[in-house]
Amino acid sequence: DIQMTQSPSTLSASVGDRVTITCRASQSINDRLAWFQQKPGRAPKLLIYTASTLASGVPPRFSGSGFGTEFTLTISSLQPDDFATFYCQQFNEYSRTFGQGTKVEIK
Amino acid sequence: EVQLVESGGGLVQPGGSLRLSCAASGFTFSAYGMSWFRQAPGRGLEWASAISGSGHIISYADSVKGRFTISRDNSKNTLYLQVNSLTAEDTAVYYCAKGDCGGDCYLTDHWGQGVLVTVSS
Repeated sequence: DIQMTQSPSTLSASVGDRVTITCRASQSINDRLAWFQQKPGRAPKLLIYTASTLASGVPPRFSGSGFGTEFTLTISSLQPDDFATFYCQQFNEYSRTFGQGTKVEIK
Repeated sequence: EVQLVESGGGLVQPGGSLRLSCAASGFTFSAYGMSWFRQAPGRGLEWASAISGSGHIISYADSVKGRFTISRDNSKNTLYLQVNSLTAEDTAVYYCAKGDCGGDCYLTDHWGQGVLVTVSS
């Protein structure tokens, strides 16, 4: 199975900060990478797919980039509603594995 | 608006069984593949099973193969997951999710709120 590794595991930031989360795949997944946001007690919400395409209704302060094995999720100006856990997921292969998550906390 | 509502969770003893359901609305259910994911308490997300829109293509994660059975009733817009031979490691919130295609979709675009399955004696 393809292993997905996110960093950092936890990130402390303030409203207005630029935030970047990294996701690495154990082998090439081309651009078959999605990012999800999950708030406590809530279902995951699709933010970005095919590495850089914003899902419907997602604010443009979110952006994604990368190809192959290295990917990033960037929030250009962190808003109060953005404090959550973010997961990357590969959808290149059967196992559709997730990263372990990055929790974005209030500094 | 896409809505997915899971039900059927609860407390079950080790070795026991449950049938989870997911009622779908807001889209043409039969046209889309569906999946089940799970999330153990305080842990990350894990894919469990998927089924095509027609129900003819089915896949399982190795961790549940032989114990879980996915199915769907397109006349009722409902997805099911029969979970058998449960162990403590199966304790998790189970989510149903809508795929982005009609087949075995590796990408999902909408998730339900989840249902808790607790395996304990």
